[in-house]
Amino acid sequence: GESVGLHLPTLSVQEGDNSIINCAYSNSASDYFIWYKQESGKGPQFIIDIRSNMDKRQGQRVTVLLNKTVKHLSLQIAATQPGDSAVYFCAENSLYSSASKIIFGSGTRLSIRP
Amino acid sequence: NAGVTQTPKFQVLKTGQSMTLQCAQDMNHEYMSWYRQDPGMGLRLIHYSVGAGITDQGEVPNGYNVSRSTTEDFPLRLLSAAPSQTSVYFCASSYTLGGQLGAGELFFGEGSRLTVL
Repeated sequence: GESVGLHLPTLSVQEGDNSIINCAYSNSASDYFIWYKQESGKGPQFIIDIRSNMDKRQGQRVTVLLNKTVKHLSLQIAATQPGDSAVYFCAENSLYSSASKIIFGSGTRLSIRP
Repeated sequence: NAGVTQTPKFQVLKTGQSMTLQCAQDMNHEYMSWYRQDPGMGLRLIHYSVGAGITDQGEVPNGYNVSRSTTEDFPLRLLSAAPSQTSVYFCASSYTLGGQLGAGELFFGEGSRLTVL
């Protein structure tokens, strides 16, 4: 079946360094991708999104890169802070399909070393 | 604005019991959905709705029923709870575009933790 997956389940980063979280997807019809952050005991929160007609999109301290050729996207967090500790999920949707489904990957836990 | 409100936050059931998880949103969102999250895993879509009177199945719909009689509410019903339904349940809502979920964020509730013994 089609799925959205992640390369690494956990990532440990030194405070102040950049973090890179990777995600692979298999549905070639996916044209919209989103990154969510989930802190302990809370619901996921939207971070940034990107449509398939773009390769890169930047937000505040975050950048999402999309490589459609290899069906891969990544989330880069600059100057990682303790507040960035969370589980990060990539998710995908097909905006022009008849189904309104956002499918989530399994998540990567980001921990920050002081 | 309260956003997306889920009740109860915690619930313990015995196998075979029934219950309803409530979800309400005050953002006038047409789209609402239910996800379950098992330990160390991602979110799996159970059911979703693109408007009042319209519901559809997600990835893992078996054992769950939904209805959408108003724009604000989207309850999730477990008719006969099973231990496999022990999980954290999240309700989420968003805007629609042309009757379908468009681009844009899902707004999540805080979750309902369900344990089935």
